[in-house]
Amino acid sequence: DAGVIQSPRHEVTEMGQEVTLRCKPISGHDYLFWYRQTMMRGLELLIYFNNNVPIDDSGMPEDRFSAKMPNASFSTLKIQPSEPRDSAVYFCASSSWTGMGTGELFFGEGSRLTVL
Amino acid sequence: QQQVKQSPQSLIVQKGGISIINCAYENTAFDYFPWYQQFPGKGPALLIAIRPDVSEKKEGRFTISFNKSAKQFSLHIMDSQPGDSATYFCAASMRTGTASKLTFGTGTRLQVTL
Repeated sequence: DAGVIQSPRHEVTEMGQEVTLRCKPISGHDYLFWYRQTMMRGLELLIYFNNNVPIDDSGMPEDRFSAKMPNASFSTLKIQPSEPRDSAVYFCASSSWTGMGTGELFFGEGSRLTVL
Repeated sequence: QQQVKQSPQSLIVQKGGISIINCAYENTAFDYFPWYQQFPGKGPALLIAIRPDVSEKKEGRFTISFNKSAKQFSLHIMDSQPGDSATYFCAASMRTGTASKLTFGTGTRLQVTL
């Protein structure tokens, strides 16, 4: 299995531009998570999906952030307009239901976003 | 709101020594406590996990100790090796509806020196 695939790996953009991050989860996994990692705040859960349906988006910082999962093999995280404080590494992770809650999270290698 | 507090922020250990990382939680509804390991430029990966019905779990050189009454758990790395140099995250989750939300600690950067 190729694992969780994220693109782009690096993105440098200017303030005010739209940013779209992409994620392909592991085939067969029914949960998908978007996390943001910064030095100050560590790993923060932004949103997660179950069977393509958003379950909890309480971690999304503000309306500039949106996430979609149109099918089981693809998700996007969009920031519009982007701001310098959005600079971070964004991780996508997937997992499968174990009967005792979501099991091991498999993370992608992340998308490093720099907003100038 | 920090629900899982992790310490220390960074740790330097000599090769062969014991690395100890501590975490404390507040929510007694948490029922799953994993540790993730992250190398530079990579995503975190599950290292070892424990549920609150046991006080200790060992996998090779890695051991989780769990103290339910104190709401604390720790990771011990025995015979630490330079290849263990990474950032370690503790985490905790509880079932909410049909899924578990995983809350991470702030991470500990471990450096194992020769």
